[in-house]
Amino acid sequence: DGGITQSPKYLFRKEGQNVTLSCEQNLNHDAMYWYRQDPGQGLRLIYYSQIVNDFQKGDIAEGYSVSREKKESFPLTVTSAQKNPTAFYLCASSSGDYVGYEQYFGPGTRLTVT
Amino acid sequence: GESVGLHLPTLSVQEGDNSIINCAYSNSASDYFIWYKQESGKGPQFIIDIRSNMDKRQGQRVTVLLNKTVKHLSLQIAATQPGDSAVYFCAEGIRGSTLGRLYFGRGTQLTVWP
Repeated sequence: DGGITQSPKYLFRKEGQNVTLSCEQNLNHDAMYWYRQDPGQGLRLIYYSQIVNDFQKGDIAEGYSVSREKKESFPLTVTSAQKNPTAFYLCASSSGDYVGYEQYFGPGTRLTVT
Repeated sequence: GESVGLHLPTLSVQEGDNSIINCAYSNSASDYFIWYKQESGKGPQFIIDIRSNMDKRQGQRVTVLLNKTVKHLSLQIAATQPGDSAVYFCAEGIRGSTLGRLYFGRGTQLTVWP
């Protein structure tokens, strides 16, 4: 089956620890995205990548970092600098590096930091 | 900047009735729009999209209407079923944009009563 996988589904961390969220896709998509979703809110873009070894900051990149060493993988690290990291994190991919192609979403990772 | 909003944060309908979910957008340059459905604890799923050279597009039990004059988008669901209960998001973008990003609204919670 083609799709996007995110792991783990639930993640718990202590404050002050960095944590990395996994995102893998086998759709052969060039573009990949990370969004954050808070209760009652829309999706806010954290980072996106159009090609391997290249990525751009979204609207709320502070306290986050990414890498894109492989086309299939786009891991997100939530650092201790992120003031309010508890949220639902969604990874997405699309076939084009420009709008006009739908974004496919993974199942999400719910991160809780205490 | 762009903003995508929704007129109604919640909508309750009886099973079998038609549902209409509305969305306003502010960027007149946006020419591509998508509706997503998000069930609780899951990632958004693509429903239907429309480009600005169209006023209407139909899918299976869904119709999207675009009114560029007033910058309004709506999603109509025919014969609404309990399985349609979810949060529905609209998103806007500019085709061909090198940024390759979409802007999402907050979403409307649709509840279908038996």
